[in-house]
Amino acid sequence: AQSVSQHNHHVILSEAASLELGCNYSYGGTVNLFWYVQYPGQHLQLLLKYFSGDPLVKGIKGFEAEFIKSKFSFNLRKPSVQWSDTAEYFCAVNQAGTALIFGKGTTLSVSS
Amino acid sequence: GAGVSQSPRYKVTKRGQDVALRCDPISGHVSLYWYRQALGQGPEFLTYFNYEAQQDKSGLPNDRFSAERPEGSISTLTIQRTEQRDSAMYRCASSTLAGGLGGELFFGEGSRLTVL
Repeated sequence: AQSVSQHNHHVILSEAASLELGCNYSYGGTVNLFWYVQYPGQHLQLLLKYFSGDPLVKGIKGFEAEFIKSKFSFNLRKPSVQWSDTAEYFCAVNQAGTALIFGKGTTLSVSS
Repeated sequence: GAGVSQSPRYKVTKRGQDVALRCDPISGHVSLYWYRQALGQGPEFLTYFNYEAQQDKSGLPNDRFSAERPEGSISTLTIQRTEQRDSAMYRCASSTLAGGLGGELFFGEGSRLTVL
């Protein structure tokens, strides 16, 4: 079955530390890849997405993600996190004609 | 409206009762999705519509769950004979693009269902 795996359930960092959250998927063929974020008390919102072209995608708030097809991965990165980045992060994947499937999420806690 | 609106925000019901959860998507959005999210988990796909047509209902857990979007706008997710395991956050999302085309999903605040 198609699935999305996020390896880190809870990540704790200090401000200014670098962040990398892992995401792997099990789909074959062409995929669309997303990272969504849910800040405390808010609803899910799009952070960035990849459809085609440059495998390094830049999103809002300094986040970026790299699509590595050979590894079926789409890891999220940020060079220097801020306290305001504390949130839950979800990787999601779909293919043409199918709904978006989410990973279980990673909770990021950033201490100031 | 300005965003996706869901009601009720909170619903507490007794086991065996039917519940209806409503989603009012962003005006003009083509596709509408229902997800269920348990605590500590990611959103679990239930079903989605393009306009009024239900395109995929493979995620509905069993025949107690149903959804409709009769006029291609507001959608209702109905759970009959609720069970405690149905307790979760139910999330609705809509998109300008038809399902699977990679459009951004705009989520509502969710409806928190608690079955006693």
